[in-house]
Amino acid sequence: DTEVTQTPKHLVMGMTNKKSLKCEQHMGHRAMYWYKQKAKKPPELMFVYSYEKLSINESVPSRFSPECPNSSLLNLHLHALQPEDSALYLCASSQGREDTEAFFGQGTRLTVV
Amino acid sequence: GEDVEQSLFLSVREGDSSVINCTYTDSSSTYLYWYKQEPGAGLRLLTYIFSNMDMKQDQRLTVLLNKKDKHLSLRIADTQTGDSAIYFCAEKGFKTIFGAGTRLFVKA
Repeated sequence: DTEVTQTPKHLVMGMTNKKSLKCEQHMGHRAMYWYKQKAKKPPELMFVYSYEKLSINESVPSRFSPECPNSSLLNLHLHALQPEDSALYLCASSQGREDTEAFFGQGTRLTVV
Repeated sequence: GEDVEQSLFLSVREGDSSVINCTYTDSSSTYLYWYKQEPGAGLRLLTYIFSNMDMKQDQRLTVLLNKKDKHLSLRIADTQTGDSAIYFCAEKGFKTIFGAGTRLFVKA
């Protein structure tokens, strides 16, 4: 199993809603990542978890709150988002922070209305 | 700071070779990657090269690295319509930095 599974695939939410994005991998990877990708732009790193601890937060606004409940799961909790937060949110995992290969999920396309 | 630059668009005929170029700035990069992204999908790692290598070949893919000029290229031999996608160059130092992506369009 070399998959990173993200749910939901699409999400439309209002600016007052609270929602969560989920990411799951069963490859035994100990590093997991959240990226944000706007249309026609490269992915931008948001958060890195290493061994279930937050190791990098790229100055992401607090309306995005990551959580790593165990080594296979990574969540991104969303609250009071703005329309400019609409993007493709990609989860990735790798064996470790120094590992060469990161596996990406298909992404959740988020629209904030 | 670190920066990765790529041309934004490349159009080739089916059967021709495609060459996608990339320049980067971080001389301490340990690995350089090429990722492929198809419409509506996540990124898939195509190939990577360690910074002390000059060339890596993997079936139809050839990666060339000129470390002095901080220039990386990806050559796709016998390009097929299924190769149409966005190709991201990325460098790994402390973290992975992606280029803006090159959109490859293959004409039948």
